Amino acid sequence: GAVVSQHPSWVICKSGTSVKIECRSLDFQATTMFWYRQFPKQSLMLMATSNEGSKATYEQGVEKDKFLINHASLTLSTLTVTSAHPEDSSFYICSARDPSREGQPQHFGDGTRLSIL
Amino acid sequence: DQQVKQNSPSLSVQEGRISILNCDYTNSMFDYFLWYKKYPAEGPTFLISISSIKDKNEDGRFTVFLNKSAKHLSLHIVPSQPGDSAVYFCANTDKLIFGTGTRLQVFP
Repeated sequence: GAVVSQHPSWVICKSGTSVKIECRSLDFQATTMFWYRQFPKQSLMLMATSNEGSKATYEQGVEKDKFLINHASLTLSTLTVTSAHPEDSSFYICSARDPSREGQPQHFGDGTRLSIL
Repeated sequence: DQQVKQNSPSLSVQEGRISILNCDYTNSMFDYFLWYKKYPAEGPTFLISISSIKDKNEDGRFTVFLNKSAKHLSLHIVPSQPGDSAVYFCANTDKLIFGTGTRLQVFP
């Protein structure tokens, strides 16, 4: 089946560090990828939609200068959390839309747990 | 605003019996609805979709029913297995706006 790889799975770093998370679709081309975050005991919250070759579309309340998204190829999108602070600690999940399947479902990575000290 | 809502936060079913998960929506403009399941600390896994032109779609133990007049869809799992214990979400095909889902627990 379709696979989306997200890396790294766990990051612990100091406050002020910038952290890059990669999301790859391994067996299909994804023109659209999505980035979510999840706080403890809460649902997934869509942060932004990443479109290959164009600027990402951010949801209301998400700082585009804080969360930089790059979708340079049909199989790779990256999320960079710039100058991360403890309040950015969360579980980040990416997904990629598979255009070849009925319903164009999104397939999700296993997430990245980010802990800022 | 394409809103989907799952009104039952949890469901407990005995192994081998049928699990029925429900979802209501408010906007009739959609192409597909999708069902996902999610284990803790993992990304959601796509289960099954249903097109707006159908009223039923079946894939193995999973069947999704669509009632357009009631703006309601349901996911049937039969027979239920302990490994089905997870949180289930319904979503449309535009943006996947997740609600709180329904936590299914299948006990032996």
